[in-house]
Amino acid sequence: DQQVKQNSPSLSVQEGRISILNCDYTNSMFDYFLWYKKYPAEGPTFLISISSIKDKNEDGRFTVFLNKSAKHLSLHIVPSQPGDSAVYFCAATTSGNTPLVFGKGTRLSVIA
Amino acid sequence: EAGVAQSPRYKIIEKRQSVAFWCNPISGHATLYWYQQILGQGPKLLIQFQNNGVVDDSQLPKDRFSAERLKGVDSTLKIQPAKLEDSAVYLCASSLGGSRGYTFGSGTRLTVV
Repeated sequence: DQQVKQNSPSLSVQEGRISILNCDYTNSMFDYFLWYKKYPAEGPTFLISISSIKDKNEDGRFTVFLNKSAKHLSLHIVPSQPGDSAVYFCAATTSGNTPLVFGKGTRLSVIA
Repeated sequence: EAGVAQSPRYKIIEKRQSVAFWCNPISGHATLYWYQQILGQGPKLLIQFQNNGVVDDSQLPKDRFSAERLKGVDSTLKIQPAKLEDSAVYLCASSLGGSRGYTFGSGTRLTVV
């Protein structure tokens, strides 16, 4: 039973345009959500997070949107850069204490 | 601040052999996690330690997998005997407490042939 779903295995975007990565979750107890970025042969690194009390969090070129009623979140990258090419994982937790539950990831390719 | 150290980086073994992975978390991080990431999937939790005690090992296949964290610092994960389906990247992560500040190591890529 996948509690965190990333239904797009891959996404290709032109440099300078917006990248939108989507994530859905089924567990209504999740109240904290994170995005991780992973390059080949490296461990995932934290990118941005959002608490369920907010609907938007922004950090530079990265913005995460949360729609609790739809159990959906998205990561926007504007403008996209070739260095953003990586696998992006959506993750969720309850009260920030239970271990993170990850989606399968979306591979983003930013084309110059 | 030094990161989470894992070794070895790569390991190839034959099925039914045993293998061990080592993790050294960030100094002072009380919580340590082992995740298994099979190709094309997201990381899946195997075990969570708080200091040297096990908090959650519900998804650890205990007939073949074991893990320990002696003295609440370093940790080892062992597979004995290995199966083909154990081929994956094994990721270690640590945090001061809770899930909001994970730091992952680079992982150990295991190939079982």
